[in-house]
Amino acid sequence: DAKTTQPTSMDCAEGRAANLPCNHSTISGNEYVYWYRQIHSQGPQYIIHGLKNNETNEMASLIITEDRKSSTLILPHATLRDTAVYYCIVRAPLPGGATNKLIFGTGTLLAVQP
Amino acid sequence: GAVVSQHPSRVICKSGTSVKIECRSLDFQATTMFWYRQFPKKSLMLMATSNEGSKATYEQGVEKDKFLINHASLTLSTLTVTSAHPEDSSFYICSAREWGGPYEQYFGPGTRLTVT
Repeated sequence: DAKTTQPTSMDCAEGRAANLPCNHSTISGNEYVYWYRQIHSQGPQYIIHGLKNNETNEMASLIITEDRKSSTLILPHATLRDTAVYYCIVRAPLPGGATNKLIFGTGTLLAVQP
Repeated sequence: GAVVSQHPSRVICKSGTSVKIECRSLDFQATTMFWYRQFPKKSLMLMATSNEGSKATYEQGVEKDKFLINHASLTLSTLTVTSAHPEDSSFYICSAREWGGPYEQYFGPGTRLTVT
């Protein structure tokens, strides 16, 4: 699976949009981009994933560049509860619908400030 | 989203004893579950892939005789840390994906193991 590069940490003011970047310049054509977050002492939480189109759900938006070498996770109105480590992971699906493993990097610690 | 539970949430055991951690998918069936461990201020490290009805696949450097994994049903996988030592103290997390469902995986809340 392709490696990803994320900033170690970021700050964001409460109520503002948080934009978390991720570089995945060696991504392959069949690899998806996944975002998870982990609040302190909890299991990771799925946020969103995409292949090439931008995606939006109730939690966040995912913007993937046209060349797919980078992406940005956007939390439109950050709250204090969004303080967490955010992981960007690229992963290819396995044949037959089997589940491929998720390999976590170091992620970005997002600190939402009051 | 789908719910994955783990039991116990915290366990303290003495050095040399074995500890079993359960991972359950509560409202879906999972043919594949994954086990991770996480040390303080570090990222999650994949330990093994657990497949229902067959032997687990361990990542390089993970001792299969030390970390016994059993995936006896489509909703339950167990991780047993055998002859635990203080260096096994860690946060153990499982994850699962619904069989035939979307690609996202769901994670359990984790189990904090402390070996004294």
